[in-house]
Amino acid sequence: DAKTTQPPSMDCAEGRAANLPCNHSTISGNEYVYWYRQIHSQGPQYIIHGLKNNETNEMASLIITEDRKSSTLILPHATLRDTAVYYCIVKTPRGSTLGRLYFGRGTQLTVWP
Amino acid sequence: NAGVTQTPKFQVLKTGQSMTLQCAQDMNHNSMYWYRQDPGMGLRLIYYSASEGTTDKGEVPNGYNVSRLNKREFSLRLESAAPSQTSVYFCASSEALHRGQGTDTQYFGPGTRLTVL
Repeated sequence: DAKTTQPPSMDCAEGRAANLPCNHSTISGNEYVYWYRQIHSQGPQYIIHGLKNNETNEMASLIITEDRKSSTLILPHATLRDTAVYYCIVKTPRGSTLGRLYFGRGTQLTVWP
Repeated sequence: NAGVTQTPKFQVLKTGQSMTLQCAQDMNHNSMYWYRQDPGMGLRLIYYSASEGTTDKGEVPNGYNVSRLNKREFSLRLESAAPSQTSVYFCASSEALHRGQGTDTQYFGPGTRLTVL
C-alpha cells in the first residue's frame, strides 16, 4: 500500500471550509484514497473514499488530482464537533491485505469559534 | 442496530494476569479486526479475521490470541499481560466479501482502555 504524507496539524474557523491535504505520490492504479477521522477518545469514523473522480457525501468532499498523487478532503462548513485527527489512507480494497487499514499519525484539525 | 460493541470499556490488570476483550457486530459483516492505539500514535493492526473460521496476524500480533467465535463475535485474548500492552484497543468490522465485491468501509467500536501495572 502507498505511503501518505499529511501535515501534523491545522486549524480552521467555525463556519469556514476546512481543506485537509494528503500526498500519496507512490499510489498505484488500483489503490483507493480513504479518509477516516477520530474524535478524541472515540473509535475512528469513516468519512469518504474515492479512486480518481471527485466524490461528495453528506459529510465531506474528496478532490483527487488528475495524476492521483495528492488529494484534499474538504469539510465545507466546519463546526466545533469536527475537531479531530483526520487520517488519509491509500490502499487496494481487496488483495492480500484484504481490507486492512494502515493508519499513520494523521492531521489534528482544530476548529475554533 | 448497535453497530460494533466492545466490552469492557475500561480494565486494569496486573502483570501476568490474563483477560479477554470481547467484540460483537450486528451488521452481518464478514471481516473483523483488532487494532491497538498508543498515545500520540495511529492505529496498528493486531489480528484480523477475513471471514468466519479464519484469522490472520497483523502488524503487532505478539502477546495476543484471537478467536472468531461466530460471524458476529471476535475476541482478543491476552494470556500473560505486560505493561507494554497498556493501550486502547479498537475492534472494527467490514463487509469485505469476495474480491471486487462489497465495501471495505470499516466501522469501529468505542474502544477498551487497558492498563497493565
